[in-house]
Amino acid sequence: DGGITQSPKYLFRKEGQNVTLSCEQNLNHDAMYWYRQDPGQGLRLIYYSQIVNDFQKGDIAEGYSVSREKKESFPLTVTSAQKNPTAFYLCASSPQAGGLPDTQYFGPGTRLTVL
Amino acid sequence: AQTVTQSQPEMSVQEAETVTLSCTYDTSESDYYLFWYKQPPSRQMILVIRQEAYKQQNATENRFSVNFQKAAKSFSLKISDSQLGDAAMYFCAYRTSWNFNKFYFGSGTKLNVKP
Repeated sequence: DGGITQSPKYLFRKEGQNVTLSCEQNLNHDAMYWYRQDPGQGLRLIYYSQIVNDFQKGDIAEGYSVSREKKESFPLTVTSAQKNPTAFYLCASSPQAGGLPDTQYFGPGTRLTVL
Repeated sequence: AQTVTQSQPEMSVQEAETVTLSCTYDTSESDYYLFWYKQPPSRQMILVIRQEAYKQQNATENRFSVNFQKAAKSFSLKISDSQLGDAAMYFCAYRTSWNFNKFYFGSGTKLNVKP
């Protein structure tokens, strides 16, 4: 089955700790994305990556970091510098970079709660 | 900056009837892409329909169709013969033509389907 997986589904973190959210895709997509979703709001772009070893900041990158060492994987680290990290995090991928991707395909999401 | 507005936080429809969800957007571009995504309780985002701004013909996917009014910057979604499985959050999204990695999402409309 092709798709995007995110783990864990629920994640709890103590204040001051870094935590890493996993995102893996086996769709052979070039581009990958991380979004944050808060109640009553739409999705906001945190980071995106068009190719391996390259990534760009989105609209709300402060307090987050990413890596793209493999095409299939795009982990997101929520650092202690992120002041309000409790949210639902969605990973997405799209088929093409450097062209016109058809659309974005989403994973099931990770709910992060800071205790 | 582009903005996407969904003015209906919640709507209800009777099973088998038709409902229309509203979306307006603000842009100075002439070429862009518009999308409707569905987010069921599982929280995974699912593409419902897409529209290319340079195409005047409204997109249709089975029971889902759009009313794209470019001059009015309006992109409404019509769901015909509503089914219980249509109950979800629906997000309107805009994608620029020059930065295909940037999607702008509305705040969503929660659709309830009554049996």
